[in-house]
Amino acid sequence: AQKVTQAQTEISVVEKEDVTLDCVYETRDTTYYLFWYKQPPSGELVFLIRRNSFDEQNEISGRYSWNFQKSTSSFNFTITASQVVDSAVYFCALSGYSGNTPLVFGKGTRLSVIA
Amino acid sequence: DVKVTQSSRYLVKRTGEKVFLECVQDMDHENMFWYRQDPGLGLRLIYFSYDVKMKEKGDIPEGYSVSREKKERFSLILESASTNQTSMYLCASRDQGPQDGYTFGSGTRLTVV
Repeated sequence: AQKVTQAQTEISVVEKEDVTLDCVYETRDTTYYLFWYKQPPSGELVFLIRRNSFDEQNEISGRYSWNFQKSTSSFNFTITASQVVDSAVYFCALSGYSGNTPLVFGKGTRLSVIA
Repeated sequence: DVKVTQSSRYLVKRTGEKVFLECVQDMDHENMFWYRQDPGLGLRLIYFSYDVKMKEKGDIPEGYSVSREKKERFSLILESASTNQTSMYLCASRDQGPQDGYTFGSGTRLTVV
């Protein structure tokens, strides 16, 4: 069975601090994909990044970076110099080899950035 | 701009009413999904569909049914609404490849009184 664990339920940081959101996954598939989504207070989930199981390179996009480590089955998300607009619920998700099955989501981490 | 559109942003219904939540996507995606989101429980899958007229139960299908008569439309039906179905309902669509993520609608916040 596939599983995604986001152990941090809520995180609160002061603006400009760096923050890392943890994501640990379980799967028996050798080919799989990992995703991060952001859900701001408006409610709509927005896609942030996708990573496939064969690409362990870290990715940076502006203040966002992602660290994928197959050895620890983790796909962590770091926000550098956090801003109030980063306040949201962040979901990590896993897709197995079949595209016709639902993504498996973690329960989400609520990030509050305080000015 | 590709979209998943949910017909209502906020909805208030009475206990026992039959409720229809509509979701339409314009991306020609095969797969569509209905989730509910409650505090502390994350996203819970109600039903999904991988083709027209096909449906699969998710983790919490009780009290719900779905309809997919056309590829672009996936409807969630609460046969007899109850107060414990008060929740945020999210629709999503997905193309067929494992590399494809979801595109979500903006959600419907349903209150059953």
